Formats: sequence, structure tokens, C-alpha cells
Amino acid sequence: DGGITQSPKYLFRKEGQNVTLSCEQNLNHDAMYWYRQDPGQGLRLIYYSQIVNDFQKGDIAEGYSVSREKKESFPLTVTSAQKNPTAFYLCASSKGRSNSPLHFGNGTRLTVT
Amino acid sequence: QQQVKQSPQSLIVQKGGIPIINCAYENTAFDYFPWYQQFPGKGPALLIAIRPDVSEKKEGRFTISFNKSAKQFSLHIMDSQPGDSATYFCAASQYNNNDMRFGAGTRLTVKP
Repeated sequence: DGGITQSPKYLFRKEGQNVTLSCEQNLNHDAMYWYRQDPGQGLRLIYYSQIVNDFQKGDIAEGYSVSREKKESFPLTVTSAQKNPTAFYLCASSKGRSNSPLHFGNGTRLTVT
Repeated sequence: QQQVKQSPQSLIVQKGGIPIINCAYENTAFDYFPWYQQFPGKGPALLIAIRPDVSEKKEGRFTISFNKSAKQFSLHIMDSQPGDSATYFCAASQYNNNDMRFGAGTRLTVKP
């Protein structure tokens, strides 16, 4: 059964620590995305990648980093430079062709205290 | 900057009612307008999508109405059910650009 797996579902970290969120897809999709969801703000794009070893910044990339070493995997690191990291993070993928629908994982809720 | 404006922020209807969620966009280069449905603790899932060459698209109880001149589109849910209670997001993107823009979301509650 194809899909996107995000792990863990809940993550707790102390302020000042970097943390990496996992995203794996077995849909054979070329493009992958990271969105941040905050109440009342919709989904905001952090980073996206259209092919392996290439990625682009979204609207709110500051304080985040990504890598795309494999087609199936697109991990997101929330660094200590991110001023307000507590949020719900969603990973998505698409075929990468223009106007392809996004397929989302079930998210990781990160809480930083 | 929010390129897709969605309203209302929340909506409560009785079972069988027809909730309507509205979205407006600014970028005339947008040519793909999907709606996503999200249940608590889950990721959004594609519900229905429309392109600007048609004014309406229906899939089951869900209908998108599209007004290109007004740069507006809306989602209608016919015969709404409590199981439709979820957050709905409109979105827009343009050809050759994978940067999809989302509205702020509408939390729909359908009361039994």
C-alpha cells in the first residue's frame, strides 16, 4: 500500500537542540515537500525538492535545513535558529509534473520547550 | 503574503445542510485549484480539483464553482453529514510551478 510515512508522530525537544523529522515515500514520486501548519495560517511551504540532490527554499525556510540523497527520503532538520519551532509539520509528495496533486503524510507534531 | 484568501474561518451546519466555503486568489497565472480535506491528527487529502476552463465540477456530494473573472472559487457540500466534519483547505498553483498556495482553512462542523 503506497503512501508517505512521517515519524515520529509526536516529538519533544528542549530549546537549543536541533531535531530531524523523517519523511519516506514509496509512491515513486519525484517531488517532495515540507509544510508547516499553524492554527489559522493554513499550510506554509518550508522547502521542496523536485529531484534527488536538489531542493529549493519555500516561504519560511529560515531555521530549517533539508537533504534529498534518495528519491524516497526527504528529512527536515529544525535547527536551534528557528525562532518558533513548535508546530505541526507535514511532508508531501507529487509526481512533480505541473499541477500534480499533493499526497500528504500524517504529520509530526513538534513541541519545543 | 497570502495569495489565496479563504472564508469563513469556521462553519457550523445541521446535518443535511449545504455548507459553502469561499476562496479568492490574486495571481491570474494560477490554473489549478484543488480542495483538500483534513481530519484531526491526519494529513490533508485531495478532495476535488478544478481548472479554469470549466465553471463547475461535481464529484459525489462535493461541487466546486469557479468564477474566473472574479478570481473566486467555492466548495459546496450537498446533504452534509457529521462525517464531513473536518478542516477544508483551498489551494492554487500555476503551470510549471510546484509551489502550491493554500488558504488558511475552514473548520466545518456538521451537527447530527
